Amino acid sequence: DAEITQSPRHKITETGRQVTLACHQTWNHNNMFWYRQDLGHGLRLIHYSYGVQDTNKGEVSDGYSVSRSNTEDLPLTLESAASSQTSVYFCASSDGLFGSATSEQFFGPGTRLTVL
Amino acid sequence: QKEVEQNSGPLSVPEGAIASLNCTYSDRGSQSFFWYRQYSGKSPELIMSIYSNGDKEDGRFTAQLNKASQYVSLLIRDSQPSDSATYLCADERVSGAGSYQLTFGKGTKLSVIP
Repeated sequence: DAEITQSPRHKITETGRQVTLACHQTWNHNNMFWYRQDLGHGLRLIHYSYGVQDTNKGEVSDGYSVSRSNTEDLPLTLESAASSQTSVYFCASSDGLFGSATSEQFFGPGTRLTVL
Repeated sequence: QKEVEQNSGPLSVPEGAIASLNCTYSDRGSQSFFWYRQYSGKSPELIMSIYSNGDKEDGRFTAQLNKASQYVSLLIRDSQPSDSATYLCADERVSGAGSYQLTFGKGTKLSVIP
């Protein structure tokens, strides 16, 4: 069955370290998204991609980067982790042509990141 | 910043009752609307989508959309304890870059009391 996976599921790191969170989907979806979820803020969009080599900034992109070298993967990198980046991170994917309606998004299981 | 607003709850209903969850949105350009269910510690799961004014029914769930009032709701009939979760409303809108994005509300926590 097609799925979307994230790794690691839990991560503890120190301030200033670079951290990469992996997201892999086997739906063959063009569109992939990274969100963070915090109490009192709900889900907020960090970065998104509508296809290979395409990346775009979302609402809360400062301190994060992504790259899309193939259809299946969209890794999220925290360049220099900060305590404010302690959160639960969700990856999602959806079908649809570049720039068209994102239609229904399917979410991965999430990564809980703690920055000490 | 155009918002999606939800009452945070908690909303408590007895088992077997109808749970009514409400959402308003501020972007008149929003075309599509989604309801996600999120159990504690889990990822959001899509349960309903609605694109046109009126009602859309799927089993015990009914989504209602009123674009003139910028209002979307979710009714859960015959509520079960397993429906206890946080329900996220989202709208789909065109971003400044011309592409489509989802904007989520903060969610309403529903508790169904046996």
